[in-house]
Amino acid sequence: DAGVIQSPRHEVTEMGQEVTLRCKPISGHNSLFWYRQTMMRGLELLIYFNNNVPIDDSGMPEDRFSAKMPNASFSTLKIQPSEPRDSAVYFCASSSGGTTGELFFGEGSRLTVL
Amino acid sequence: KQEVTQIPAALSVPEGENLVLNCSFTDSAIYNLQWFRQDPGKGLTSLLLIQSSQREQTSGRLNASLDKSSGRSTLYIAASQPGDSATYLCAVRRRMEYGNKLVFGAGTILRVKS
Repeated sequence: DAGVIQSPRHEVTEMGQEVTLRCKPISGHNSLFWYRQTMMRGLELLIYFNNNVPIDDSGMPEDRFSAKMPNASFSTLKIQPSEPRDSAVYFCASSSGGTTGELFFGEGSRLTVL
Repeated sequence: KQEVTQIPAALSVPEGENLVLNCSFTDSAIYNLQWFRQDPGKGLTSLLLIQSSQREQTSGRLNASLDKSSGRSTLYIAASQPGDSATYLCAVRRRMEYGNKLVFGAGTILRVKS
């Protein structure tokens, strides 16, 4: 299996622009998670889906952030408009066996907002 | 609120030493605990997953134990090698009102000197 695939790996954009991050979970996994990692705050859970349905989005920082999972093999995390404080590495992860299974992470998308 | 603490924050050892990384958590109502490794600029790689009903898991030179009642887990690395140098994170899956959530510690930065 190819593992969790994220794109783009790196994104540099200017403040106010829309950013879309993409994730393809491991085939057969029914739970998908979006995390953000910064030096100051470590790893933070933004949102997670179970069977394509958002279960907990309490970690989404503001209305500027939105996430969708239109089908079992694809999810997006969108930031509109982006701000410099959104600069971070965004990770997507997936698991099987409900939401208590082993978690597998993608390589991450490094976002820099100027 | 579940808090996860990892001690030490950083560790530097000569090659060949056996070492122990510690993880403690405040709420014992967990589903499982997972140890990860993160190399610079990379995603998280799952090392070991311990379900709440288990006491330990082993993989090669790695052994992880779980004492749920005391809120502790240890990751034991035998015969350390320079290739073991990385950040090690533990994460606990805790129950929530809706679903569950994986809460991460800040990590232990390990350097194994040759």
